Parts: sequence; structure tokens; C-alpha cells
Amino acid sequence: GENVEQHPSTLSVQEGDSAVIKCTYSDSASNYFPWYKQELGKRPQLIIDIRSNVGEKKDQRIAVTLNKTAKHFSLHITETQPEDSAVYFCAARRYNTDKLIFGTGTRLQVFP
Amino acid sequence: GAGVSQTPSNKVTEKGKYVELRCDPISGHTALYWYRQSLGQGPEFLIYFQGTGAADDSGLPNDRFFAVRPEGSVSTLKIQRTERGDSAVYLCASSRQGGNEQFFGPGTRLTVL
Repeated sequence: GENVEQHPSTLSVQEGDSAVIKCTYSDSASNYFPWYKQELGKRPQLIIDIRSNVGEKKDQRIAVTLNKTAKHFSLHITETQPEDSAVYFCAARRYNTDKLIFGTGTRLQVFP
Repeated sequence: GAGVSQTPSNKVTEKGKYVELRCDPISGHTALYWYRQSLGQGPEFLIYFQGTGAADDSGLPNDRFFAVRPEGSVSTLKIQRTERGDSAVYLCASSRQGGNEQFFGPGTRLTVL
């Protein structure tokens, strides 16, 4: 069935360093891959997304890369700041549906 | 404008009781989604609506769970004969016609004692 694996489960970095979170999906018919940020006790919020016809997308300090052949996609955060500390979820969506299949999340801690 | 809202924010109930959770989507959004999030996990899909009809209810765990959206706006998730394993945060999201982004509500934390 549909499955999204996410690694690592926790990630600690020093302020200013880069952080990378990786996801793997099982359904080759997936064509949309969003990333959500969830701060403690808050709702998930979309930070960046990518469609399968694109290999990379960047928005300021955040970038996402997609390897369709390997069914991998990754989130890259550069010049991390303490306010980047949160849980990040990747997700995948099949072309013929609107439901999202989420990964298990990565807790990112950025130390000043 | 106003975001997705959910009521109640917290619900504590006893095993075996019936509960209703309400979601108010962003005005004009045609799609509405319900997810369940257990501690330390990602949101797990339950059901989604396009307008008034359930487009996909494949995530509902069993027949104790039911959801409605009678007028294509507000939705209610109904859980009968609650069990302790139903304890989780129930998240609602909505999206506009043809849009990719799902906007999430703050969730309802359900605790079944």
C-alpha cells in the first residue's frame, strides 16, 4: 500500500548550519510532495511543495529536491535559525486523489 | 481572512460514549479533509469531501467512525462507542477548487478515559 518513510526522526544542529531531512515513497503514481512544519501545539503549515515534473525548488533558505527514479525527496534548510525548531513532515499524494500520505516526522532542534 | 476552525479544542469522554467533532473550513473551499494524529506520528488520513459527498473514506478505521458535510461547508466527524485507542488529535483541513495546499485547523484533542 501507500507508504512514506522519513529520516531522521530527530535532528539537532547548531545555528547557521544546514539541515537535511529525507523521505522515500512507495507509490510510483505519486506526483505531488508537500512539506509541512508543525510547531509544538500548533497546526501543520505548508512550507514548500514540489510536483513530479520538477527536480528541485527553492524558496529563500528552504529547498526541496525530488528523485522520481529512486522515489526519494528531501528538504534542505540552510543557515538554520532557532525559530526553525519544529517537527517537519513530508507527504506524498497520488495523481488521482487529494489525500496526503504523511511521513512520521522529524523533530529539528536548532541550538543558538 | 479566517482560517480553518475546529470545535471543541479539547474533548474528554468515557469509553463507550458518542462524540462529535466539528470543522469549519475556509469560506469557499470545496474540499475538506479529516486526519488523525497520534503522539509522535504524522497525520493519518481518514476521509475527504468534495462538496457534500465523501470522495474517499478509505481511511476510516471502522464503522464506528462517520463523517458528514450536508451543505458543503461545515463538517462533523462522529465517533460511536469510543475506545481508548481513539485518543488522538483530530485535524481538519480544507483546500480550494483545484488547489494543492491543504490548510489545517488547530485540531481537536480527544481523550477517551
